[in-house]
Amino acid sequence: EAQVTQNPRYLITVTGKKLTVTCSQNMNHEYMSWYRQDPGLGLRQIYYSMNVEVTDKGDVPEGYKVSRKEKRNFPLILESPSPNQTSLYFCASSLVGQLYEQYFGPGTRLTVT
Amino acid sequence: QQQVKQSPQSLIVQKGGISIINCAYENTAFDYFPWYQQFPGKGPALLIAIRPDVSEKKEGRFTISFNKSAKQFSLHIMDSQPGDSATYFCAASMYGGSEKLVFGKGTKLTVNP
Repeated sequence: EAQVTQNPRYLITVTGKKLTVTCSQNMNHEYMSWYRQDPGLGLRQIYYSMNVEVTDKGDVPEGYKVSRKEKRNFPLILESPSPNQTSLYFCASSLVGQLYEQYFGPGTRLTVT
Repeated sequence: QQQVKQSPQSLIVQKGGISIINCAYENTAFDYFPWYQQFPGKGPALLIAIRPDVSEKKEGRFTISFNKSAKQFSLHIMDSQPGDSATYFCAASMYGGSEKLVFGKGTKLTVNP
């Protein structure tokens, strides 16, 4: 089954404790992206990657890091989480020429206290 | 400007009625205009998409109307059903120079039985 998986699905952590949210896709997509969803603000892009070792900032990259060492994986790293990073996070993937058709993971709900 | 403005923020319709959600954009470099549907607890999923050289696209009860001169597009849901209750996001994609999918802020649709 074609899918994007994220782990963990739910995470409660404390300010400053480094964490990683994993994302993996099995569709051989070149393009992968991270979004955060907040009430009233919609989906905002954090980082994206056009291919292995190629990453770029989205609209809200502050406080986040990413890496793309393998085509299927695109982890999101919060090195020192803060309460304003409490949000619902989505990973997505697509073919490079079909950015309009992105496949989203199930989401990770992160709470930073 | 890489924004997509979406209205209304929320919408309540009766079963069998027509739901209409509107979006507007500024950047003429956008090359594809998709709509995503998101059910509670799930990631967004592509519902229907249109290119700017087409004025209308219909898939079942869902229709996109596109007005290139006005830089506006809309989603019409005919014969709305309670199962259509979800959050809908319009979006615009751009390929070349700044590869991204820009989302509107979303419309929460409730269809009453």
